[in-house]
Amino acid sequence: GENVEQHPSTLSVQEGDSAVIKCTYSDSASNYFPWYKQELGKRPQLIIDIRSNVGEKKDQRIAVTLNKTAKHFSLHITETQPEDSAVYFCAARWKTGANNLFFGTGTRLTVIP
Amino acid sequence: DGGITQSPKYLFRKEGQNVTLSCEQNLNHDAMYWYRQDPGQGLRLIYYSQIVNDFQKGDIAEGYSVSREKKESFPLTVTSAQKNPTAFYLCASNPTGTDTQYFGPGTRLTVL
Repeated sequence: GENVEQHPSTLSVQEGDSAVIKCTYSDSASNYFPWYKQELGKRPQLIIDIRSNVGEKKDQRIAVTLNKTAKHFSLHITETQPEDSAVYFCAARWKTGANNLFFGTGTRLTVIP
Repeated sequence: DGGITQSPKYLFRKEGQNVTLSCEQNLNHDAMYWYRQDPGQGLRLIYYSQIVNDFQKGDIAEGYSVSREKKESFPLTVTSAQKNPTAFYLCASNPTGTDTQYFGPGTRLTVL
């Protein structure tokens, strides 16, 4: 199967600064990489995703980059706001599985006002 | 997301009892999934189903069972064989041909 590692496990930034969360994956055949945001006690919500035929994708203050050669992808949040505080999970889809997602262990982001 | 419901939100059971968690969706999605979430860990796949009357084991299926008799419903039974069942359980679904999985609100199971 796939193995996804996520770093850091916790991240604190000042409001307005940028935050970067990094993930690596093991299976070069993985082809879909979503990022989810989960607030305390709530369901994970998809915030952005990228497919293996694209190197970068942006949506307002959020961007994801993918380096297939190095098998890593990153989430970038610019101009952070207190409401960005949450746990963020990366995931990779194992191509040979039935859309099975393998998740990282999560990053708890705290934005300090 | 609003089209996927899980019940109950909180569930308490005594050790050794089987318990069934409900997951329903009105989104006409073919595929459904059950994940388990523990503190400090990512989501781990328990079972998934791509079509009615068919389901497959995920990474941590031992001690769990599922059924998929209707497209809208994918209940999960946590059996007494599951050694450490206390966790947050999330159900998800996605339409055939798309990548995005949508999650239900979750059920927090506590075994006393």
